[in-house]
Amino acid sequence: AQSVAQPEDQVNVAEGNPLTVKCTYSVSGNPYLFWYVQYPNRGLQFLLKYITGDNLVKGSYGFEAEFNKSQTSFHLKKPSALVSDSALYFCAVRDIRGATNKLIFGTGTLLAVQP
Amino acid sequence: EPEVTQTPSHQVTQMGQEVILRCVPISNHLYFYWYRQILGQKVEFLVSFYNNEISEKSEIFDDQFSVERPDGSNFTLKIRSTKLEDSAMYFCASRGQGFTEAFFGQGTRLTVV
Repeated sequence: AQSVAQPEDQVNVAEGNPLTVKCTYSVSGNPYLFWYVQYPNRGLQFLLKYITGDNLVKGSYGFEAEFNKSQTSFHLKKPSALVSDSALYFCAVRDIRGATNKLIFGTGTLLAVQP
Repeated sequence: EPEVTQTPSHQVTQMGQEVILRCVPISNHLYFYWYRQILGQKVEFLVSFYNNEISEKSEIFDDQFSVERPDGSNFTLKIRSTKLEDSAMYFCASRGQGFTEAFFGQGTRLTVV
């Protein structure tokens, strides 16, 4: 079965420090992985995706993610956190078994950046 | 930038009433989805729609739920007889062809009382 796991409910980081939000995946076949961010009372905004190619994927707002096949991970990173990065982050995998490739989401990680 | 729009942003309804949640997907997209997020929980897939028919649905999407794309632009989710446990944020999403990402609307917060 296709699934993703986000082992941390919350990550706390000081502004200016690097941040990492963890995600591991379990898929049959090639993984198609995504990160979305949800600000309070807002929808899900796409950050970045891994389909194929370079293991380091760059996305919106200075975020990047590293695909690691041997560790089945797709951790989200940013070199220097901003208070405005505080939000709920979801990792997702595309379920390629179905005809419309729905997304299967992790449980989400709340990122809190302290000034 | 094109976006998915959803109305209303918040709907309060009495248990047993019918509700219709509306979405306008991005115009050249082909795949349409409804997801829901119960407060504090993860985002769950409900149903996908392609080529004017339901393509896939989850166990949550029982006979009380239906979807329509009545006029080629709107995409609606109807809940015939709402239950308390239907209270959630409902997200519409759409996607183009290939490996493109899905774009989500801002959501409709449904509160069943």
